[in-house]
Amino acid sequence: KAGVTQTPRYLIKTRGQQVTLSCSPISGHRSVSWYQQTPGQGLQFLFEYFSETQRNKGNFPGRFSGRQFSNSRSEMNVSTLELGDSALYLCASSLQGAMSDTQYFGPGTRLTVL
Amino acid sequence: LAKTTQPISMDSYEGQEVNITCSHNNIATNDYITWYQQFPSQGPRFIIQGYKTKVTNEVASLFIPADRKSSTLSLPRVSLSDTAVYYCLVLRSNDYKLSFGAGTTVTVRA
Repeated sequence: KAGVTQTPRYLIKTRGQQVTLSCSPISGHRSVSWYQQTPGQGLQFLFEYFSETQRNKGNFPGRFSGRQFSNSRSEMNVSTLELGDSALYLCASSLQGAMSDTQYFGPGTRLTVL
Repeated sequence: LAKTTQPISMDSYEGQEVNITCSHNNIATNDYITWYQQFPSQGPRFIIQGYKTKVTNEVASLFIPADRKSSTLSLPRVSLSDTAVYYCLVLRSNDYKLSFGAGTTVTVRA
């Protein structure tokens, strides 16, 4: 069974721009969660989507948003990029949800904001 | 929110057993403890999950005392390929807040 895939793997943007990241979960998984990983803050939960609905959200500003499609693929959007948004963005999929089920992580998208 | 605390780093040698302890003093009744392994440039990979006492799989063992305020991940007979960052995660089952520890960098030497 194919694992979680994320595109693109690497991205370079400048301050003020916006970016969209994509995540394809494992087939059959309905939950997709997004995380930001930085050396200083570690792994931080952004939000989770389940069956096209946002189920929960972490403590990130409204510039961070997401959505999930009917095929469970998910996108994350960051608007008005700031230097501090440079990070590895990880998505994880699971059958029933991040709270009750094992999560399978993708390789991540490395975003650099200049 | 069950904040987790774990050592920043640990060194070991091939063939030894590595034990990483995670503290989660505010763990709630319905919370589960999960451990993940992460290699550079890769996403975390699930290792083991437990609620109480001891859980063992083909990769590791997880020991959880009765008060559940800590847990210990045990990696038997480590090899060089076990060099990675290990994260302790407490799943909040009632308010959907995820608390990842800062991670423990385990370095295995020959």
